[in-house]
Amino acid sequence: DGGITQSPKYLFRKEGQNVTLSCEQNLNHDAMYWYRQDPGQGLRLIYYSQIVNDFQKGDIAEGYSVSREKKESFPLTVTSAQKNPTAFYLCASSIGAGTGGPDQPQHFGDGTRLSIL
Amino acid sequence: ILNVEQSPQSLHVQEGDSTNFTCSFPSSNFYALHWYRWETAKSPEALFVMTLNGDEKKKGRISATLNTKEGYSYLYIKGSQPEDSATYLCAPYTGRRALTFGSGTRLQVQP
Repeated sequence: DGGITQSPKYLFRKEGQNVTLSCEQNLNHDAMYWYRQDPGQGLRLIYYSQIVNDFQKGDIAEGYSVSREKKESFPLTVTSAQKNPTAFYLCASSIGAGTGGPDQPQHFGDGTRLSIL
Repeated sequence: ILNVEQSPQSLHVQEGDSTNFTCSFPSSNFYALHWYRWETAKSPEALFVMTLNGDEKKKGRISATLNTKEGYSYLYIKGSQPEDSATYLCAPYTGRRALTFGSGTRLQVQP
């Protein structure tokens, strides 16, 4: 079955530590996205990538970094510069802007819940 | 940051009631409007993607309309069932080639 796999499901970060959240998809989608959800809020866009080796900052990119070396993988690193990392993180993918992007729905993973120790 | 507003924030209805909620978004630089349903302990799932002014989509008891000129969309649920309980998110797709989500409407349907 095609889908998006996020790991781990739960993650704990110590002060001053960088942690990396994994996102893998086997849907052959060009575009991938990272969102953050805080209690009572919607999904806020952190970073997105429309194609391999290219990515753009979203609305809340500070304190985060990404890479897109392979089509199927889009890992998110939460750096020590992110002072309030406790949140639920969702990864998504879609067919992409180059092939009818606006009307292509996004497919989501199950999320990673990050907490500070 | 694009301002996407959804109302109401939450809604409690009885089984069998019909309900509707609103999504407002800036009408400039608009390409499409997405609706997603997010049930507890699951991933968000796409309901509708609408692109044209006056567009109407329907899936079972759920339907949506779109007005791109004034920047709003309505989602309707006819005869709500407990399994409709979820958070409903809307998101316009704009020129930056990404979605901007509203904070959602949380619907609870009491049996």
